[in-house]
Amino acid sequence: DTGVSQDPRHKITKRGQNVTFRCDPISEHNRLYWYRQTLGQGPEFLTYFQNEAQLEKSRLLSDRFSAERPKGSFSTLEIQRTEQGDSAMYLCASSPSLVGGNIQYFGAGTRLSVL
Amino acid sequence: LAKTTQPISMDSYEGQEVNITCSHNNIATNDYITWYQQFPSQGPRFIIQGYKTKVTNEVASLFIPADRKSSTLSLPRVSLSDTAVYYCLVGDDGYSTLTFGKGTMLLVSP
Repeated sequence: DTGVSQDPRHKITKRGQNVTFRCDPISEHNRLYWYRQTLGQGPEFLTYFQNEAQLEKSRLLSDRFSAERPKGSFSTLEIQRTEQGDSAMYLCASSPSLVGGNIQYFGAGTRLSVL
Repeated sequence: LAKTTQPISMDSYEGQEVNITCSHNNIATNDYITWYQQFPSQGPRFIIQGYKTKVTNEVASLFIPADRKSSTLSLPRVSLSDTAVYYCLVGDDGYSTLTFGKGTMLLVSP
């Protein structure tokens, strides 16, 4: 399978714990995105990377959230001191260099439940 | 990014053609129109993209009138497996993020 891969698919944690998610984009896609989706809503943009550079962050990305993409390959999203409001599906997407209207390819997501 | 408006939900039956219309009155000259499909517990999946007139692929057709202030996603002969949420987005080829609305929940019944 050469699509976007996310790990884990599900994560249950207790409030106050730190969690880390991993995303492996489609190989040779130099752009990588993170989104958050809550029930009944469309995905909301969190941040994006071009290669290893983090070029844009949403206001949704509080200081408890940090994302990295070392070497411009896989990416990690860490949430520190999780809160119940962090419970959501976290989606990763990748795209090649902009051609046309920026078609993004999404992974299946990591569903986070904070108890 | 131009704001889009689409119906919250639609119902259909197997074998029918479904047309979902999206309004984007403030679309800019450089904006493309893109549709995604999302099943429960999965990420959105790209369906089709167009700039003007008509685009067709193996999954759907996209009709865009001359003024580009709306677009219609056409799904021919839907099946139960087409039950999903469909999102319409507009943006130019320089935009780095996607702004999703709530989408259209399509329910296909037997």
